[in-house]
Amino acid sequence: GQNIDQPTEMTATEGAIVQINCTYQTSGFNGLFWYQQHAGEAPTFLSYNVLDGLEEKGRFSSFLSRSKGYSYLLLKELQMKDSASYLCAVRDSNYQLIWGAGTKLIIKP
Amino acid sequence: GAVVSQHPSRVICKSGTSVKIECRSLDFQATTMFWYRQFPKQSLMLMATSNEGSKATYEQGVEKDKFLINHASLTLSTLTVTSAHPEDSSFYICSASEPTSGSSGGTDTQYFGPGTRLTVL
Repeated sequence: GQNIDQPTEMTATEGAIVQINCTYQTSGFNGLFWYQQHAGEAPTFLSYNVLDGLEEKGRFSSFLSRSKGYSYLLLKELQMKDSASYLCAVRDSNYQLIWGAGTKLIIKP
Repeated sequence: GAVVSQHPSRVICKSGTSVKIECRSLDFQATTMFWYRQFPKQSLMLMATSNEGSKATYEQGVEKDKFLINHASLTLSTLTVTSAHPEDSSFYICSASEPTSGSSGGTDTQYFGPGTRLTVL
């Protein structure tokens, strides 16, 4: 079977750094996506990785290791508005997107 | 990024009625659009893949006669929930794929509409 594993919930402090991990077992790999979803809203695209290494976009960075089936999303200088669910999704060999259940991130002052 | 609109944003209807939801790609053409459903505090569930000019591909367990999908043009896909019942109450979200490029390579990225919250009484 195919599955994506992410922690269900994480808590961090405003101004700090948090790393959200994602591990995957899929039939083939054609890229990994991270999305942010605020409560009651639709997901918004954050990042895409298909090669090993780190992709940096402002306060957000995403890392991929294909050999380990592992990715993380790193959020720096946390702000209260970063409180949201973060979804990891992997595109498999059939170009289907396999979605993780999401990690709910709670930011405390 | 690409902009996808969805209409209506919220709908309340009586049991047994049909509801149509529209999904539009505003600044790009999308040969493929996707329809998702999300129950409270649960993950996205792909319902179907909508292909312009051809029949939609439904995921296992999704009734194609109940959830009618029409992708009549490169910028519009519609989902009609027929004979809606209270258990169909959910957050319905569409997405459309657009090619994006970056240092990690190019790919088709799904951009989501704002979603439609359906409540069936």
